[in-house]
Amino acid sequence: NAGVTQTPKFRVLKTGQSMTLLCAQDMNHEYMYWYRQDPGMGLRLIHYSVGEGTTAKGEVPDGYNVSRLKKQNFLLGLESAAPSQTSVYFCASSSPGQGPYEQYFGPGTRLTVT
Amino acid sequence: AQSVTQLGSHVSVSEGALVLLRCNYSSSVPPYLFWYVQYPNQGLQLLLKYTSAATLVKGINGFEAEFKKSETSFHLTKPSAHMSDAAEYFCAVTKGTNAGKSTFGDGTTLTVKP
Repeated sequence: NAGVTQTPKFRVLKTGQSMTLLCAQDMNHEYMYWYRQDPGMGLRLIHYSVGEGTTAKGEVPDGYNVSRLKKQNFLLGLESAAPSQTSVYFCASSSPGQGPYEQYFGPGTRLTVT
Repeated sequence: AQSVTQLGSHVSVSEGALVLLRCNYSSSVPPYLFWYVQYPNQGLQLLLKYTSAATLVKGINGFEAEFKKSETSFHLTKPSAHMSDAAEYFCAVTKGTNAGKSTFGDGTTLTVKP
């Protein structure tokens, strides 16, 4: 099992450009999450999904959109990147059937917006 | 609402010394509690979890944590630090009825001196 994978690993964008981060999991987990990690601020939840075709806002959703067209994939989009979105982005997944909801994390995507 | 406070953003110990990383939580319902470890340029990995089965929880790499309801604490300990323990550690709290969403502390960076 590959677990949770993320592509790309690194990306540099100019302000105003768009991009999509891809997260894939092969554990058949129902729940998936996108976080951003900034120094001294822990992990903050951007968006999450409790199943295929459903998404919901987390703590810091502004400037991001997500889609979950397939159970195994969770996409995070930045429509118009801003320097404030420079961060490390982590995807995670979990399952209510594997209580108590421990999360499995991908290796992260380091995004720099100039 | 649930929250997590990790006391001390940086902890430094000598190799062979006791490791103590502090975590206090607040939750309106009995929570699930986790400690995750993050090595440089990697995603988070589960160290241990509290599921209400036992108050003293043993995890990987010789770490353990004790759940103290009266103190709303879940401190992480290891009797003897090893150089390989140097990493960032995150405490997290989850309510089982909330789509598995976790609230993470800000993290504690552990440095191990030779």
